[in-house]
Amino acid sequence: EVQLLESGGGLVQPGGSLRLSCAASGFSFTNYAMSWVRQAPGKGLEWVSHISAGGDVTNYANSVKGRFSISRDSSKNTVYLQMKSLKAEDTAVYYCAKVPKSIAVGDSLSPEYFQNWGQGTLVTVSS
Amino acid sequence: NFKLTQPRSVSESPGKTVTISCTRSTGSIASNFVQWYQQRPGSAPTTVIYDDDQRPFGVPDRFSGSIDSSSNSASLTISGLKTDDEADYYCQSYGANVVFGGGTKLTVL
Repeated sequence: EVQLLESGGGLVQPGGSLRLSCAASGFSFTNYAMSWVRQAPGKGLEWVSHISAGGDVTNYANSVKGRFSISRDSSKNTVYLQMKSLKAEDTAVYYCAKVPKSIAVGDSLSPEYFQNWGQGTLVTVSS
Repeated sequence: NFKLTQPRSVSESPGKTVTISCTRSTGSIASNFVQWYQQRPGSAPTTVIYDDDQRPFGVPDRFSGSIDSSSNSASLTISGLKTDDEADYYCQSYGANVVFGGGTKLTVL
């Protein structure tokens, strides 16, 4: 059974940093790309970031580009989202998702869809 | 990039059939596959349809997806409605970026 377990959320002040983790199990982690998707309170879904199966290609939504960084550790079956210069509008539940298919977009990759989702971790940016 | 527009809410009675639409603003709906996600209150999303009309293992065949090029839209149809189907439903496609619809709240009453 595929399991994705996010952690690392919490309350952080504007301008602060936070690192989210997503521990994966139940599938061959190194064969799948992974993404982060967020949902602001009472709002819809927004794709945030994507990393290829090999970890060598990454992509970001314009809203987080230059502030967030995605990475993965195949020895720990874990994908990370390093968030810096956080803003109030980054407040959301962050989900990691397993991505079975990606498409080429310029010199990067973008997910076609999200096959499995974690339970999410809440990030609150507030003073 | 294009937008996906969904009705904000739909409602129907148990046992009936409901269809949720998802209209693409520019470009052909057939250009890229459409997915549908179900999100029950307080829970994470789950995938109910991918690649326009494919059901993941474990999703009942009461759920079906389709696209209509004449209206440039995709549809999620749920038959034999159950109270457990009450949830938010999001369509999603992709192009230069991932695009989600705004979500439709399904009430089963």
